Amino acid sequence: GAGVSQSPSNKVTEKGKDVELRCDPISGHTALYWYRQRLGQGLEFLIYFQGNSAPDKSGLPSDRFSAERTGESVSTLTIQRTQQEDSAVYLCASSFLAGGDIQYFGAGTRLSVL
Amino acid sequence: LAKTTQPISMDSYEGQEVNITCSHNNIATNDYITWYQQFPSQGPRFIIQGYKTKVTNEVASLFIPADRKSSTLSLPRVSLSDTAVYYCLVGDKNAGNMLTFGGGTRLMVKP
Repeated sequence: GAGVSQSPSNKVTEKGKDVELRCDPISGHTALYWYRQRLGQGLEFLIYFQGNSAPDKSGLPSDRFSAERTGESVSTLTIQRTQQEDSAVYLCASSFLAGGDIQYFGAGTRLSVL
Repeated sequence: LAKTTQPISMDSYEGQEVNITCSHNNIATNDYITWYQQFPSQGPRFIIQGYKTKVTNEVASLFIPADRKSSTLSLPRVSLSDTAVYYCLVGDKNAGNMLTFGGGTRLMVKP
């Protein structure tokens, strides 16, 4: 079946521009995570959606970052006024139950801010 | 929030068994232990999950002692293609909460 799909796979932008990253989770998965991974580093939690509950935004690094999810489907991560330190791979994952359940990851979006 | 601690890196040779241990001293009663593998330029992928004792699948085994404060991922007869970063994650399947992956263990398999 279809896995987690992320788009675009690569994004190059200029400092100060806004970017929007998209994640299509596996159908039926109630939980959706966004992570950031800098080169050679581990996964950094950003935000977590679980069903219709209020999202856990505790990992968002600044108010330039925001995310939305439509029901239990597609999610978008928006970064406003991008900075060079935002350059990283942004990974999305979904799971059937909550976060301790098996997470299925997309291939990620590689963001480069020039 | 259960924090995990793993070795930063490990080296092995083809054909050897590799054991990677993860410490999770404050694991909660309802937490499961899940291991993921990540290759360069890819998202992590699930390897194995367990709650207690031993779990085995076609890829690996997971050993969990009675106190559940640690777990060991065992990879039998590794090959060069097992070179990757391995992450241990602890969390409740049914509770909505943030999970922390940590830095993982970078395994290098040599010929």
